[in-house]
Amino acid sequence: KAGVTQTPRYLIKTRGQQVTLSCSPISGHRSVSWYQQTPGQGLQFLFEYFSETQRNKGNFPGRFSGRQFSNSRSEMNVSTLELGDSALYLCASTLNPTGSGNTIYFGEGSWLTVV
Amino acid sequence: DQQVKQNSPSLSVQEGRISILNCDYTNSMFDYFLWYKKYPAEGPTFLISISSIKDKNEDGRFTVFLNKSAKHLSLHIVPSQPGDSAVYFCAASEAGTASKLTFGTGTRLQVTL
Repeated sequence: KAGVTQTPRYLIKTRGQQVTLSCSPISGHRSVSWYQQTPGQGLQFLFEYFSETQRNKGNFPGRFSGRQFSNSRSEMNVSTLELGDSALYLCASTLNPTGSGNTIYFGEGSWLTVV
Repeated sequence: DQQVKQNSPSLSVQEGRISILNCDYTNSMFDYFLWYKKYPAEGPTFLISISSIKDKNEDGRFTVFLNKSAKHLSLHIVPSQPGDSAVYFCAASEAGTASKLTFGTGTRLQVTL
């Protein structure tokens, strides 16, 4: 069974540009969430999508957005990139986010460098 | 406000001995706790979890203990192996929000020969 797949794995962007990252969840998982990892802030929750609707959102500016498609695949977008957006962006999926005791499985991440 | 804390940034243990990684939390609404292992520039790998209705969960060499009154959990690895060397994160979620994990800052475990 394939795991969570993220593309691209590595990318370099210039300040002011925008970026789109893609995520395919584990087959059958309908919830996709996104996290940001930086050396200073650690692993932080960005947002979660379930059945194409955003269920939860972390404390990030509106430049960070996402969406989920009918096949549960998800994309996140960061507009007007800043140097501080350089980070490892992780996608995760789970079977049922509304219950307790559901394990979250992570992808390998997309490493974004903003220059 | 750091709701999940791992106060030891690093830990060094000899191969074959027990590794104990600790985690404290402040949010009493957390009801599910997970441990992940992570290498640089890779995604976290799920290790073991525990529900708040239990105080212990075992899976092979890994055991997680939960002390709700102290808001403390620990991960025991016995015996420790060199391949266990990585950064370990504890994470927690509230009921009904399984996808919204709050992570600790991580503990780097080094297992020496």
